[in-house]
Amino acid sequence: QLQLQESGPGLVKPSETLSLTCTVTGGSVSSRIHHWGWIRQSPGKGLEWLANIYYTGHTHYNPSLRSRITISVDTSNNQFYLDVNSVTASDTAVYYCARDDISTGFHGPLDYWGQGVLVTVSS
Amino acid sequence: QSVLTQPPSASGTPGQRVTISCSGSNSNIGVTDVSWYQQSPGTAPKSLIYRNNQRPSGVPDRFTGSKSGTSASLAISGLRSEDEADYYCASWDDSVGGWVFGGGTKLTVL
Repeated sequence: QLQLQESGPGLVKPSETLSLTCTVTGGSVSSRIHHWGWIRQSPGKGLEWLANIYYTGHTHYNPSLRSRITISVDTSNNQFYLDVNSVTASDTAVYYCARDDISTGFHGPLDYWGQGVLVTVSS
Repeated sequence: QSVLTQPPSASGTPGQRVTISCSGSNSNIGVTDVSWYQQSPGTAPKSLIYRNNQRPSGVPDRFTGSKSGTSASLAISGLRSEDEADYYCASWDDSVGGWVFGGGTKLTVL
């Protein structure tokens, strides 16, 4: 059974960089029919997609956050990552990693999600 | 402001049928598939409907999805107390170059 697990610091200071890891077990990030992505949810708010990556390193970014975020993948460790730099309090959120099924040639669904990790930005 | 538009709330009594709408445009729902996600309090979203009207294994057939043009809807029949959750529609958006979500609909079972 595929599982995704987010890890990272629970607390980050303003202006610093938030770095998260998603570890994939029971499947491979090198899959040719899947992308891997990050989605976040601010407290009491809805879902916001941040970025997607394919095992080749091909990426898609949310245009509103493109200048501050970087997604990357490590096929040897079966992990993918998210960096958000110059964080502010508005980056406080639960961050989820998810698998994006592209087997039809189109994106979707986001069929497996991690449990999420709460990251608080505060001094 | 979300790219996809959902009503913020919906409600029904046990056994009733409720419908949640999702409105988009020709850069998202109009050209690609819609998926729906259920999120119970304190938990991660769970895939509920994919490719407009397909259910993952384990999802009861009380949940049905449909799509017409640039809109989609999720219907829940035989409402049960455990259906109380937030529901999100989502689609890939060609203009954004990524996923877009609805703002979410909080379903209350009265």
